[in-house]
Amino acid sequence: GESVGLHLPTLSVQEGDNSIINCAYSNSASDYFIWYKQESGKGPQFIIDIRSNMDKRQGQRVTVLLNKTVKHLSLQIAATQPGDSAVYFCAENRWGSQGNLIFGKGTKLSVKP
Amino acid sequence: DAGITQSPRHKVTETGTPVTLRCHQTENHRYMYWYRQDPGHGLRLIHYSYGVKDTDKGEVSDGYSVSRSKTEDFLLTLESATSSQTSVYFCAISSKSNTEAFFGQGTRLTVV
Repeated sequence: GESVGLHLPTLSVQEGDNSIINCAYSNSASDYFIWYKQESGKGPQFIIDIRSNMDKRQGQRVTVLLNKTVKHLSLQIAATQPGDSAVYFCAENRWGSQGNLIFGKGTKLSVKP
Repeated sequence: DAGITQSPRHKVTETGTPVTLRCHQTENHRYMYWYRQDPGHGLRLIHYSYGVKDTDKGEVSDGYSVSRSKTEDFLLTLESATSSQTSVYFCAISSKSNTEAFFGQGTRLTVV
């Protein structure tokens, strides 16, 4: 599989617990943020997004929180399952940048059964 | 994978040889991107296209060129491959500039 997990921050959680993955973004002009999930050997998969006019957005078992004051983004996964094990990336996009996403380094989530 | 096909999926090539990677989409999306992914660096943008024949450089464009002669195809060319270009390459598409991008399965390129 892919060796994208080298030197990545790792979060290990028990199955059924909630997971919180954090991300600090760099550009105060960024106005759109995305969380991606990447499983070994696959491309990044869209999970959830949020625009800068919002503080919180919920999906199925996932919630994204945005704190523009400290330029911080978090992804909360409820009732974490073994299938959630993957590398998670946050990405930011600045309006007018032609959709060029700037990715964080990623966090590896390991779920213990 | 949102109608995105990358080819080849795996390639081993020798230093100094030209290499072309292809991204094909069936979504009729305007924007197409090439990223590379390396351990410790995450995903970094190489080049992108905002329409047919409209392309621009990304963060790590040196040693790469691209072409987009029709909406569905975006080609990435390494004119003379180097070992530093050993990486996994991902193509992505999006319908608008400020919306989610969908990624292909990736191409693993090894330059020996």
